[in-house]
Amino acid sequence: GQQVMQIPQYQHVQEGEDFTTYCNSSTTLSNIQWYKQRPGGHPVFLIQLVKSGEVKKQKRLTFQFGEAKKNSSLHITATQTTDVGTYFCAGQRTASKLTFGTGTRLQVTL
Amino acid sequence: DTEVTQTPKHLVMGMTNKKSLKCEQHMGHRAMYWYKQKAKKPPELMFVYSYEKLSINESVPSRFSPECPNSSLLNLHLHALQPEDSALYLCATKIPGGTDGYTFGSGTRLTVV
Repeated sequence: GQQVMQIPQYQHVQEGEDFTTYCNSSTTLSNIQWYKQRPGGHPVFLIQLVKSGEVKKQKRLTFQFGEAKKNSSLHITATQTTDVGTYFCAGQRTASKLTFGTGTRLQVTL
Repeated sequence: DTEVTQTPKHLVMGMTNKKSLKCEQHMGHRAMYWYKQKAKKPPELMFVYSYEKLSINESVPSRFSPECPNSSLLNLHLHALQPEDSALYLCATKIPGGTDGYTFGSGTRLTVV
Protein backbone atom coordinates (compact mmCIF):
# COMPACT_ATOMS: atom_id res chain seq x y z
CA GLY A 1 0.00 0.00 0.00
CA GLN A 2 0.94 3.65 -0.16
CA GLN A 3 3.52 4.80 2.38
CA VAL A 4 4.37 8.38 3.27
CA MET A 5 7.47 8.92 5.38
CA GLN A 6 8.68 12.09 7.04
CA ILE A 7 12.03 13.10 8.47
CA PRO A 8 13.04 14.01 11.02
CA GLN A 9 10.68 12.39 13.54
CA TYR A 10 11.45 15.09 16.07
CA GLN A 11 13.29 18.39 16.10
CA HIS A 12 14.05 20.75 18.95
CA VAL A 13 15.07 24.29 17.99
CA GLN A 14 15.71 27.57 19.73
CA GLU A 15 13.26 30.31 18.94
CA GLY A 16 14.45 32.20 15.87
CA GLU A 17 16.11 29.20 14.24
CA ASP A 18 14.81 27.74 10.99
CA PHE A 19 13.12 24.34 10.67
CA THR A 20 12.52 21.98 7.76
CA THR A 21 10.58 18.73 7.51
CA TYR A 22 10.77 16.43 4.49
CA CYS A 23 8.06 14.16 3.16
CA ASN A 24 8.49 11.19 0.79
CA SER A 25 5.78 9.09 -0.82
CA SER A 26 6.29 5.61 -2.21
CA THR A 27 3.93 6.48 -5.08
CA THR A 28 3.21 9.48 -7.31
CA LEU A 29 0.59 11.77 -5.82
CA SER A 30 -2.20 13.85 -7.30
CA ASN A 31 -1.70 16.38 -4.53
CA ILE A 32 0.04 16.81 -1.21
CA GLN A 33 -1.45 18.53 1.81
CA TRP A 34 0.11 19.78 5.02
CA TYR A 35 -1.49 19.77 8.45
CA LYS A 36 -0.45 21.03 11.87
CA GLN A 37 -1.55 19.34 15.08
CA ARG A 38 -0.95 21.12 18.35
CA PRO A 39 -0.39 18.99 21.47
CA GLY A 40 -3.78 17.66 22.60
CA GLY A 41 -5.44 19.01 19.47
CA HIS A 42 -6.63 17.84 16.09
CA PRO A 43 -5.03 18.18 12.66
CA VAL A 44 -5.59 21.59 11.05
CA PHE A 45 -5.23 22.03 7.30
CA LEU A 46 -2.46 24.38 6.23
CA ILE A 47 -2.14 24.11 2.47
CA GLN A 48 -2.47 21.96 -0.64
CA LEU A 49 0.06 21.63 -3.46
CA VAL A 50 -1.03 20.20 -6.80
CA LYS A 51 1.49 21.04 -9.52
CA SER A 52 4.89 19.50 -10.08
CA GLY A 53 7.58 21.82 -8.66
CA GLU A 54 5.03 24.08 -6.99
CA VAL A 55 6.17 26.44 -4.25
CA LYS A 56 3.75 28.25 -1.93
CA LYS A 57 4.37 30.62 0.95
CA GLN A 58 2.31 31.46 4.00
CA LYS A 59 4.09 34.17 6.00
CA ARG A 60 7.13 32.35 7.51
CA LEU A 61 6.15 28.95 6.05
CA THR A 62 7.35 27.77 2.62
CA PHE A 63 5.96 24.61 1.05
CA GLN A 64 7.42 22.78 -1.96
CA PHE A 65 6.16 19.90 -4.10
CA GLY A 66 8.80 17.87 -5.90
CA GLU A 67 9.11 17.62 -9.66
CA ALA A 68 8.18 13.93 -9.62
CA LYS A 69 5.20 14.64 -7.30
CA LYS A 70 6.52 12.12 -4.78
CA ASN A 71 8.14 14.40 -2.25
CA SER A 72 7.51 17.65 -0.46
CA SER A 73 9.00 19.90 2.18
CA LEU A 74 7.89 22.48 4.71
CA HIS A 75 10.34 25.15 5.82
CA ILE A 76 9.67 27.52 8.70
CA THR A 77 11.83 30.63 8.93
CA ALA A 78 12.61 32.10 12.33
CA THR A 79 10.53 29.73 14.43
CA GLN A 80 8.33 31.01 17.24
CA THR A 81 6.94 29.19 20.26
CA THR A 82 3.54 29.23 18.55
CA ASP A 83 4.98 26.90 15.88
CA VAL A 84 5.14 24.03 18.39
CA GLY A 85 3.25 20.95 17.27
CA THR A 86 3.39 18.01 14.91
CA TYR A 87 3.49 18.70 11.18
CA PHE A 88 2.00 16.06 8.93
CA CYS A 89 2.14 15.85 5.19
CA ALA A 90 -0.73 13.91 3.65
CA GLY A 91 -0.74 12.49 0.15
CA GLN A 92 -3.67 11.86 -2.08
CA ARG A 93 -3.62 9.48 -5.05
CA THR A 94 -7.37 9.19 -5.48
CA ALA A 95 -10.08 11.60 -4.49
CA SER A 96 -11.28 9.40 -1.65
CA LYS A 97 -8.17 8.50 0.29
CA LEU A 98 -5.81 10.81 2.12
CA THR A 99 -2.78 9.06 3.61
CA PHE A 100 -0.91 10.87 6.36
CA GLY A 101 2.84 10.91 6.68
CA THR A 102 4.56 9.77 9.84
CA GLY A 103 4.82 13.35 11.13
CA THR A 104 7.55 15.60 12.50
CA ARG A 105 7.20 16.88 16.04
CA LEU A 106 8.62 20.37 16.50
CA GLN A 107 9.61 21.72 19.88
CA VAL A 108 10.64 25.39 20.16
CA THR A 109 12.27 26.82 23.25
CA LEU A 110 13.20 30.38 24.17
CA ASP B 1 -13.04 26.82 15.81
CA THR B 2 -14.34 23.92 13.77
CA GLU B 3 -17.57 23.34 11.92
CA VAL B 4 -17.26 19.64 12.60
CA THR B 5 -18.53 18.82 16.07
CA GLN B 6 -17.76 15.54 17.79
CA THR B 7 -19.30 14.18 20.98
CA PRO B 8 -18.36 13.08 23.50
CA LYS B 9 -14.90 14.64 23.85
CA HIS B 10 -13.78 11.88 26.22
CA LEU B 11 -15.13 8.38 26.72
CA VAL B 12 -14.10 5.55 29.01
CA MET B 13 -15.76 2.22 28.31
CA GLY B 14 -15.43 -1.35 29.43
CA MET B 15 -14.78 -4.17 27.01
CA THR B 16 -18.37 -5.40 27.25
CA ASN B 17 -19.99 -1.99 26.77
CA LYS B 18 -21.77 -0.60 23.74
CA LYS B 19 -21.25 3.08 23.01
CA SER B 20 -21.54 5.47 20.07
CA LEU B 21 -19.42 8.36 18.87
CA LYS B 22 -21.22 11.18 17.10
CA CYS B 23 -20.11 13.67 14.49
CA GLU B 24 -22.07 16.57 13.01
CA GLN B 25 -20.86 18.76 10.17
CA HIS B 26 -22.24 21.89 8.55
CA MET B 27 -19.62 22.30 5.83
CA GLY B 28 -22.10 21.15 3.17
CA HIS B 29 -19.81 18.48 1.72
CA ARG B 30 -21.22 15.01 1.02
CA ALA B 31 -18.02 13.08 1.94
CA MET B 32 -17.33 12.23 5.57
CA TYR B 33 -14.48 10.31 7.12
CA TRP B 34 -13.55 8.47 10.30
CA TYR B 35 -9.89 8.39 11.29
CA LYS B 36 -8.20 6.71 14.24
CA GLN B 37 -5.07 8.21 15.79
CA LYS B 38 -2.92 6.43 18.35
CA ALA B 39 -0.55 8.45 20.52
CA LYS B 40 2.44 9.86 18.63
CA LYS B 41 1.19 8.33 15.36
CA PRO B 42 -0.48 9.78 12.26
CA PRO B 43 -4.23 9.56 11.72
CA GLU B 44 -5.23 6.34 9.96
CA LEU B 45 -8.28 6.16 7.72
CA MET B 46 -11.05 3.84 8.89
CA PHE B 47 -14.16 4.62 6.82
CA VAL B 48 -15.29 6.92 4.02
CA TYR B 49 -18.90 7.88 3.39
CA SER B 50 -19.97 9.50 0.16
CA TYR B 51 -23.55 10.70 -0.26
CA GLU B 52 -24.49 8.79 2.91
CA LYS B 53 -23.19 5.49 1.50
CA LEU B 54 -20.15 3.63 2.79
CA SER B 55 -17.57 3.78 0.00
CA ILE B 56 -14.38 2.69 1.78
CA ASN B 57 -13.82 0.36 4.74
CA GLU B 58 -10.11 0.02 5.47
CA SER B 59 -10.48 -3.54 6.77
CA VAL B 60 -11.72 -2.27 10.11
CA PRO B 61 -12.85 -4.96 12.61
CA SER B 62 -16.61 -5.45 12.87
CA ARG B 63 -16.61 -4.24 16.48
CA PHE B 64 -16.59 -0.78 14.85
CA SER B 65 -19.83 -0.11 12.99
CA PRO B 66 -20.26 3.19 11.12
CA GLU B 67 -23.57 4.79 10.25
CA CYS B 68 -24.48 7.89 8.25
CA PRO B 69 -28.13 8.82 8.95
CA ASN B 70 -28.02 11.96 6.77
CA SER B 71 -25.60 14.32 5.05
CA SER B 72 -24.77 16.12 8.30
CA LEU B 73 -24.42 13.25 10.74
CA LEU B 74 -21.94 10.42 11.13
CA ASN B 75 -21.94 7.88 13.93
CA LEU B 76 -19.46 5.22 14.98
CA HIS B 77 -20.99 2.43 17.04
CA LEU B 78 -18.62 0.57 19.32
CA HIS B 79 -19.11 -2.88 20.79
CA ALA B 80 -16.79 -5.33 22.54
CA LEU B 81 -13.71 -3.18 22.08
CA GLN B 82 -10.22 -4.13 23.21
CA PRO B 83 -7.78 -1.98 25.22
CA GLU B 84 -5.66 -1.56 22.07
CA ASP B 85 -8.60 0.30 20.51
CA SER B 86 -7.92 3.18 22.89
CA ALA B 87 -7.15 6.18 20.67
CA LEU B 88 -8.33 9.56 19.42
CA TYR B 89 -11.18 9.09 16.94
CA LEU B 90 -11.45 11.90 14.43
CA CYS B 91 -14.29 12.77 12.09
CA ALA B 92 -13.60 14.88 9.01
CA THR B 93 -15.18 16.34 5.93
CA LYS B 94 -13.80 18.30 3.03
CA ILE B 95 -13.25 22.02 3.17
CA PRO B 96 -15.63 23.67 0.70
CA GLY B 97 -14.40 25.45 -2.40
CA GLY B 98 -11.20 24.91 -4.38
CA THR B 99 -9.23 22.52 -2.22
CA ASP B 100 -9.16 18.83 -1.38
CA GLY B 101 -8.20 19.62 2.21
CA TYR B 102 -10.07 18.22 5.17
CA THR B 103 -11.47 19.90 8.24
CA PHE B 104 -11.39 17.71 11.33
CA GLY B 105 -13.48 17.69 14.44
CA SER B 106 -11.72 17.96 17.78
CA GLY B 107 -12.08 14.21 18.23
CA THR B 108 -13.23 11.76 20.86
CA ARG B 109 -10.49 10.49 23.14
CA LEU B 110 -11.49 6.88 23.85
CA THR B 111 -10.11 4.72 26.62
CA VAL B 112 -11.08 1.05 26.77
CA VAL B 113 -10.61 -0.56 30.17
